[in-house]
Amino acid sequence: AQTVTQSQPEMSVQEAETVTLSCTYDTSESNYYLFWYKQPPSRQMILVIRQEAYKQQNATENRFSVNFQKAAKSFSLKISDSQLGDTAMYFCAFMKSNTGNQFYFGTGTSLTVIP
Amino acid sequence: AAGVIQSPRHLIKEKRETATLKCYPIPRHDTVYWYQQGPGQDPQFLISFYEKMQSDKGSIPDRFSAQQFSDYHSELNMSSLELGDSALYFCASSFSEHETGELFFGEGSRLTVL
Repeated sequence: AQTVTQSQPEMSVQEAETVTLSCTYDTSESNYYLFWYKQPPSRQMILVIRQEAYKQQNATENRFSVNFQKAAKSFSLKISDSQLGDTAMYFCAFMKSNTGNQFYFGTGTSLTVIP
Repeated sequence: AAGVIQSPRHLIKEKRETATLKCYPIPRHDTVYWYQQGPGQDPQFLISFYEKMQSDKGSIPDRFSAQQFSDYHSELNMSSLELGDSALYFCASSFSEHETGELFFGEGSRLTVL
């Protein structure tokens, strides 16, 4: 079975500063997908960034980047130049394949950006 | 661009009643997922369908059933509702031939059981 662990239930960061959210996972699969999703108070899940396990290069999406350490099964999210709109719940997620297999979520990290 | 459409957005039911939630995936998406998110909880996987066949099953109670129809929309049927079924129910869809594996989520259907 796959598990996703987010060890930081809550975090805060000053506006314009950088923050890193941690995520570790456990799997016996060699190829899989990893994601960070954001859930603002409006409640809809929004994709922040994704990473395919077979790609060694860390994904980057504007102010968001990941540190993917496959051997360590670690997938942290770095948010640079934090903005007030980044305040949300962030979920790390794992998927074995894209043909209807389960999408596993971590327990989430509540991020608050302080003005 | 078209998104995942869920209906109804809000639903209030009494205990022991039945509820049906509907999900319309993004056009051409062949995979649908259902998740249940209780207050302050992470989303819990219920069930998924790929090409109208059940693909994976999670913590879905026996009182719940779901199916995906020929037009790829899906319905989650919940019977003998309990207070603990009150939650936000998310549907998500994806296209299996997209190498990214990204799930696109709907805005959710909030079920309140009184």
